[in-house]
Amino acid sequence: EAGVAQSPRYKIIEKRQSVAFWCNPISGHATLYWYQQILGQGPKLLIQFQNNGVVDDSQLPKDRFSAERLKGVDSTLKIQPAKLEDSAVYLCASSLGLWGGTDTQYFGPGTRLTVL
Amino acid sequence: GNSVTQMEGPVTLSEEAFLTINCTYTATGYPSLFWYVQYPGEGLQLLLKATKADDKGSNKGFEATYRKETTSFHLEKGSVQVSDSAVYFCALSDYTGANSKLTFGKGITLSVRP
Repeated sequence: EAGVAQSPRYKIIEKRQSVAFWCNPISGHATLYWYQQILGQGPKLLIQFQNNGVVDDSQLPKDRFSAERLKGVDSTLKIQPAKLEDSAVYLCASSLGLWGGTDTQYFGPGTRLTVL
Repeated sequence: GNSVTQMEGPVTLSEEAFLTINCTYTATGYPSLFWYVQYPGEGLQLLLKATKADDKGSNKGFEATYRKETTSFHLEKGSVQVSDSAVYFCALSDYTGANSKLTFGKGITLSVRP
């Protein structure tokens, strides 16, 4: 079974530029997550999709970050414009979307973003 | 709100030593608890989980028991190997309907020397 795919793996940009990340979840997984992992910290949820609807985006900085999952499969996360503090690893995860505490999230390899 | 606290690292052990990594949590409901591992150059992988009090999760020789009375989920292994060198994250998920986000601790780096 193929895992969660992400691209690119690395990206270096200047501040105020734009950047986009792509994620393809495990086939059949209804729920997709984007996390931000700053060096030395645990991942922090940015946004959660259930199929193509947003379940939780309470920690997404909406003035500069946006995400979409138009057909309920793959997803893109965009930052526009980027700031120095956005330097981090952006992780995508997916899960079947089961209720009641039995769901397990599977993570992609991440995209390491460096903002200069 | 929910939070996870892990012991400060890094941890360096000799091969075949006993490992304990402490994890405590704060949650409003009845969370599920997880340990994820991140090997060098790889993504996060689920190591083990427990979904209710007194459950024991186990995998690859690692174990952790969900202790509601002490709000803890400490990770243990009786004999570590060099291949166990990685970053370990404790996490919880306090499910509210379709919202199943994970709250992670800061992670701890384990280095095992031959």
